[in-house]
Amino acid sequence: GAVVSQHPSWVICKSGTSVKIECRSLDFQATTMFWYRQFPKQSLMLMATSNEGSKATYEQGVEKDKFLINHASLTLSTLTVTSAHPEDSSFYICSASGTRRSPNYGYTFGSGTRLTVV
Amino acid sequence: AQSVTQLDSQVPVFEEAPVELRCNYSSSVSVYLFWYVQYPNQGLQLLLKYLSGSTLVESINGFEAEFNKSQTSFHLRKPSVHISDTAEYFCAVSLDTGRRALTFGSGTRLQVQP
Repeated sequence: GAVVSQHPSWVICKSGTSVKIECRSLDFQATTMFWYRQFPKQSLMLMATSNEGSKATYEQGVEKDKFLINHASLTLSTLTVTSAHPEDSSFYICSASGTRRSPNYGYTFGSGTRLTVV
Repeated sequence: AQSVTQLDSQVPVFEEAPVELRCNYSSSVSVYLFWYVQYPNQGLQLLLKYLSGSTLVESINGFEAEFNKSQTSFHLRKPSVHISDTAEYFCAVSLDTGRRALTFGSGTRLQVQP
């Protein structure tokens, strides 16, 4: 079945530094990837949608310059949290979707990344 | 725009008892419906989905959900729960099956007690 690998699973960084989170589709080509943010005991909030080779589409209220998304290949998307601050601490989850013709068409989620900014 | 309402934030239930987690959606167009399960500090795992066809869909671990268009509902049921079913359950809808993002409900915490 479809597998999405997300790394790192957890990271602690100092305030003001940048952190990169990777999301890889291991056995299918992900034409579309989604990035979500989840606060404790809350639901998932969509941050942005990215299509391979195109600029990401950000949801209202999400800072494009703070949360940089790159989807340069059909198997890799990255989320970079720039100049991180404690309020950016959260659980970040990616989701990938294959092409309509592939058996993996649909949504497959990564295992998430717990970011703590100190 | 579509929206999802999960009416219960927490559902405590004893082991081997039946359970129903409620989900209602709102949309002006046809939607696709999903149930996901999330264990602590993990991503989401697909339980089951309704895309078309039979309104009753089943998962391999005993859960089932029924799409009811007239009541705009997609309730999740299991006739006998196990301790291992303790987790957070999310209902989600999408206008597409991959190109557009899922819209999630607020989640229901299922707590199975011995």
